[in-house]
Amino acid sequence: KAGVTQTPRYLIKTRGQQVTLSCSPISGHRSVSWYQQTPGQGLQFLFEYFSETQRNKGNFPGRFSGRQFSNSRSEMNVSTLELGDSALYLCASRTSGGPTDTQYFGPGTRLTVL
Amino acid sequence: AQSVTQLDSQVPVFEEAPVELRCNYSSSVSVYLFWYVQYPNQGLQLLLKYLSGSTLVKGINGFEAEFNKSQTSFHLRKPSVHISDTAEYFCAVSKAQGGSEKLVFGKGTKLTVNP
Repeated sequence: KAGVTQTPRYLIKTRGQQVTLSCSPISGHRSVSWYQQTPGQGLQFLFEYFSETQRNKGNFPGRFSGRQFSNSRSEMNVSTLELGDSALYLCASRTSGGPTDTQYFGPGTRLTVL
Repeated sequence: AQSVTQLDSQVPVFEEAPVELRCNYSSSVSVYLFWYVQYPNQGLQLLLKYLSGSTLVKGINGFEAEFNKSQTSFHLRKPSVHISDTAEYFCAVSKAQGGSEKLVFGKGTKLTVNP
């Protein structure tokens, strides 16, 4: 089976712009979660989608949003970018989204905000 | 809320030496525990997880971890490390209830294996 894929792998944006990141989960996985990884804050949970519905959300401002499509692919959007949004954004998928299900991570999208 | 503390930010060891990476957690409810590894420029890969049952959990690449409820710890061990084990290791917890539980990660431990 193909793993979790994320596109693009690298992005450079300037402050004030918006960005959309894409995640394709493992075939058959219906849950997709997003995490932000920075040197200062570490790995922080952004949100989780299951069957096109957001069912869990982390403590991030409303500039961070996401959605999931009927084929389970997910996108996250960050509007009005700030320097502090520079990070590695990781997507993870799992089968049903239960806590015992293993989350499989993609390679991440590295976003640099100038 | 859950929290995870990884007591060492960096651990240097020599090849073929044993290693222990320490992890302590805090939670008012039952949790599941995980160790992930991240190689440079890659995502996270699950090494092992504790859900229930035997407190000694064996994972991939020769790693194992022991769950200690009284000490709220989940330390990762390997009896003999290789150069290829050089990576960053993350301990994580999630609540053992509910339908959708996020992973809460520690800040990570960078393991460097020297020849």
